[in-house]
Amino acid sequence: KQEVTQIPAALSVPEGENLVLNCSFTDSAIYNLQWFRQDPGKGLTSLLLIQSSQREQTSGRLNASLDKSSGRSTLYIAASQPGDSATYLCAVGGPYNQGGKLIFGQGTELSVKP
Amino acid sequence: DGGITQSPKYLFRKEGQNVTLSCEQNLNHDAMYWYRQDPGQGLRLIYYSQIVNDFQKGDIAEGYSVSREKKESFPLTVTSAQKNPTAFYLCASKNGLAYNEQFFGPGTRLTVL
Repeated sequence: KQEVTQIPAALSVPEGENLVLNCSFTDSAIYNLQWFRQDPGKGLTSLLLIQSSQREQTSGRLNASLDKSSGRSTLYIAASQPGDSATYLCAVGGPYNQGGKLIFGQGTELSVKP
Repeated sequence: DGGITQSPKYLFRKEGQNVTLSCEQNLNHDAMYWYRQDPGQGLRLIYYSQIVNDFQKGDIAEGYSVSREKKESFPLTVTSAQKNPTAFYLCASKNGLAYNEQFFGPGTRLTVL
């Protein structure tokens, strides 16, 4: 059974710092991996999608990497800003015969201090 | 604007009542999903539907029911059989194949009084 873990559960950094969020999964047979951002009381905003054949994806100050063999993904945030404060969730995607469902980690709550 | 809408934003239910949460999308997506989010836990899949008039149970389907009569709509009913329904409910949709991006609605917070 696939399990997804995100460590740490919470992280506080000063503004301007570069930071890395970690995501690990137990079964390397994934179809994709998606990173989301969630603000308090809100839905999820998709940040990056990495297909199983890809090693990384970039969008603006965000870079996500995927290493299936080691069961790890990282989300790199460059030059962090207070507006980046949110909970970040990673989710791994299953096969079509399971509806392509996502299995989520518990999230990392990020606080960027001015 | 294209997107996913969920209503209501907040819902209060008395014990023993059934309630229905609405999810509508105008993205022309084939697949739709319902997830439940509890404090300190990741999202868990309740039901999903890949085509109209067909749906499948997810990991925690007991006490819930769904229908998919139209491509754009996937309502979720929380029945009185659901032992602990207080949670944040999120609807999502995806176009076609398994490895496409899922998009989420704003959520409905259900509280049992």
